[in-house]
Amino acid sequence: KNQVEQSPQSLIILEGKNCTLQCNYTVSPFSNLRWYKQDTGRGPVSLTIMTFSENTKSNGRYTATLDADTKQSSLHITASQLSDSASYICVVSFHAGNNRKLIWGLGTSLAVNP
Amino acid sequence: DGGITQSPKYLFRKEGQNVTLSCEQNLNHDAMYWYRQDPGQGLRLIYYSQIVNDFQKGDIAEGYSVSREKKESFPLTVTSAQKNPTAFYLCASSEDGRTYGYTFGSGTRLTVV
Repeated sequence: KNQVEQSPQSLIILEGKNCTLQCNYTVSPFSNLRWYKQDTGRGPVSLTIMTFSENTKSNGRYTATLDADTKQSSLHITASQLSDSASYICVVSFHAGNNRKLIWGLGTSLAVNP
Repeated sequence: DGGITQSPKYLFRKEGQNVTLSCEQNLNHDAMYWYRQDPGQGLRLIYYSQIVNDFQKGDIAEGYSVSREKKESFPLTVTSAQKNPTAFYLCASSEDGRTYGYTFGSGTRLTVV
């Protein structure tokens, strides 16, 4: 069964600290993996998109890694800011016939406290 | 600024009534999507459209209907047949159905009263 699991479910850190969020998937055949940031009551905003051949991609203080062999991805946030408080969602795309389908994780809820 | 506009942000509906959620984009994207988000669940695809005058059912289309008469508009109607319509609804678009990135609207929170 195609699944995306994220951990931890929630996380509280102090401003300025680093943190790493995890995403494990069993989706096949893999197409790409995306990380989104979703503020409360808002739509998700794309942070990174990674294909099979990419193992690291950065977007400012956000760095995503992908290990296609172990089917794991991580999102590392450096020097956290209060504005990083949000839900971070991992989404994996797979080929389904002539179409591409998405499997959405449940997200990690991050709270950055002063 | 280019983007996707969803309206209204909050919507209340009485049981048995149909209601239409608006989604407009000025990104010149071909593909548009409607998702539903519930607590404790990942986003679920309701309907999508890859081209004007064509749309396809997603994973949870029952009780919903859409139209795509214009490239920039993709309204979603929640009908009385939808048994549990209270949710956060998200509209998204992409350049075409094969590209990687979605742009999302700000969402509409629908509550049945």
